[in-house]
Amino acid sequence: DVKVTQSSRYLVKRTGEKVFLECVQDMDHENMFWYRQDPGLGLRLIYFSYDVKMKEKGDIPEGYSVSREKKERFSLILESASTNQTSMYLCASSLLRTDTQYFGPGTRLTVL
Amino acid sequence: AQTVTQSQPEMSVQEAETVTLSCTYDTSENNYYLFWYKQPPSRQMILVIRQEAYKQQNATENRFSVNFQKAAKSFSLKISDSQLGDTAMYFCAFMKHEGNKLVFGAGTILRVKS
Repeated sequence: DVKVTQSSRYLVKRTGEKVFLECVQDMDHENMFWYRQDPGLGLRLIYFSYDVKMKEKGDIPEGYSVSREKKERFSLILESASTNQTSMYLCASSLLRTDTQYFGPGTRLTVL
Repeated sequence: AQTVTQSQPEMSVQEAETVTLSCTYDTSENNYYLFWYKQPPSRQMILVIRQEAYKQQNATENRFSVNFQKAAKSFSLKISDSQLGDTAMYFCAFMKHEGNKLVFGAGTILRVKS
């Protein structure tokens, strides 16, 4: 079974802090994704990566950056957290571009 | 840009009955993929069913089946013999043929009542 894990289930940060969300997958998947989930909006893609050190912007990349130094790990970085980044963040991975994406359990981030 | 619309924010169904969740999408693509994902209260999102647009036959996975109407751009999910464990948020999602980017609908909360 594919396993996607995220470093924290709940996180509380202050405005202006730098925040790191970590995601790890154990199935040697090529592609990894970061989404944010908000009520009434579903999930929206922030960034994705199709290989180590490679990344592409999704639909809402503003205020975020990502890092993929190893194939199994994909980090989402909030350079200076703001209250409008309070949300649920979901990581996902897939083997091929058109394959099913497998999701982690999510991180509920609150920015005060 | 592609959009996915789920017009039912919440639905409820009695245990053992059948329920259908609606999904429509907008695209100018001819080849693409459609998905239904389930997110139970524990939050782990899991795939329910997947459909390739070039396949005319509707996908089925045990008690879950879809009604894919390509011309109408409709992709509904039917759950037969509903079980308490089906209680969850259900998301419809679209992926273009070249892959990677999933576009999600807003979701439908389904409550199965005993």
